[in-house]
Amino acid sequence: RKEVEQDPGPFNVPEGATVAFNCTYSNSASQSFFWYRQDCRKEPKLLMSVYSSGNEDGRFTAQLNRASQYISLLIRDSKLSDSATYLCVVNSGNTPLVFGKGTRLSVIA
Amino acid sequence: DAGVTQSPTHLIKTRGQQVTLRCSPKSGHDTVSWYQQALGQGPQFIFQYYEEEERQRGNFPDRFSGHQFPNYSSELNVNALLLGDSALYLCASSRWTSGNPEQFFGPGTRLTVL
Repeated sequence: RKEVEQDPGPFNVPEGATVAFNCTYSNSASQSFFWYRQDCRKEPKLLMSVYSSGNEDGRFTAQLNRASQYISLLIRDSKLSDSATYLCVVNSGNTPLVFGKGTRLSVIA
Repeated sequence: DAGVTQSPTHLIKTRGQQVTLRCSPKSGHDTVSWYQQALGQGPQFIFQYYEEEERQRGNFPDRFSGHQFPNYSSELNVNALLLGDSALYLCASSRWTSGNPEQFFGPGTRLTVL
């Protein structure tokens, strides 16, 4: 079983739609969780950290369920500029970041 | 404040050759990690350098080696290149003592092995 699993998509949604991505991780010792965004042929950039209590940043909401080892990202009111690959990332203390394969989102006009 | 920089941006090599990629971390960062990202995959951890020593290593063969310099910049060397080494090589920097695992990525070097 891969350490971090994501549905690769693609998710094709119209502008203004709400879309949700899920991610599961296998290492129960994981301590830190992130969503990174990666545009085509560019480097990954941190979108948001994910906290146990859940957190929101504008149109983006991240949730963590430690019991189920599950992370989610919700994007409301999708914009064309949200089109990218979203990478789920986990970390266990001093271990390296472990990335999922990413979920590709295309927002269509 | 310069972010993470990498050079070169693109590189084409043939099988069996050797390559050196370079990275300068973000100002104030002392730790450099290298990742390989094949097409359609997430980045895979290669190794991490701090205080000029390799601190952690992922599941990569000895053909992959690295170095960190006193100014915190780093090199990734790959010997005896294989077609499968074609990928985007990403460098990420962080602060060892910050307790925050957040890493900042450079733009990457796209390596093509023919």
